[in-house]
Amino acid sequence: KQEVTQIPAALSVPEGENLVLNCSFTDSAIYNLQWFRQDPGKGLTSLLLIQSSQREQTSGRLNASLDKSSGRSTLYIAASQPGDSATYLCAVPYSGAGSYQLTFGKGTKLSVIP
Amino acid sequence: ETGVTQTPRHLVMGMTNKKSLKCEQHLGHNAMYWYKQSAKKPLELMFVYNFKEQTENNSVPSRFSPECPNSSHLFLHLHTLQPEDSALYLCASSEAGPSTDTQYFGPGTRLTVL
Repeated sequence: KQEVTQIPAALSVPEGENLVLNCSFTDSAIYNLQWFRQDPGKGLTSLLLIQSSQREQTSGRLNASLDKSSGRSTLYIAASQPGDSATYLCAVPYSGAGSYQLTFGKGTKLSVIP
Repeated sequence: ETGVTQTPRHLVMGMTNKKSLKCEQHLGHNAMYWYKQSAKKPLELMFVYNFKEQTENNSVPSRFSPECPNSSHLFLHLHTLQPEDSALYLCASSEAGPSTDTQYFGPGTRLTVL
């Protein structure tokens, strides 16, 4: 069974800092890994999806890396802004009973202080 | 906006009430999902529908009853719920599923059971 862990659970940084969020997974046989953002009381917004054959994906100030062999992914946020404050979730599709289900971590709650 | 809408956004109900949650997607997708998000726990997949057929039921209690009349609409009928069922209920859709495709999430319904 796939398990996804995100460390730290919460992070507070001053505006302008670069930061890294971590995600680890127990089964390295993944098809892809996805990073989501969730604002308080809201749904999830997909940020980046990295295919298993890729090492990293970039979108604006966000860069996600994937190391399948070590079971790790990182989300790098450059020049953080107060608007980046949210909970960041990573998820991997898990194959069970012939179908795929997304397995999520508990998330990292990020606060960017102005 | 992700193209997935959910109503109502907030719902308070007693343990003896019957209510329904509605989800609608405008993306032309064929798969729809219900997730439960409780405090301090990862998102839990409840049900999956692919081309209107239920393909996954993750041991969800019978007091939750899903309905998918067509590929664009998904309902979650609720009856005789328990206080521990209070959570954020998220709907999602993907092109096909369950698969490794990106899932697009609605804003969620915040449910409180008294």
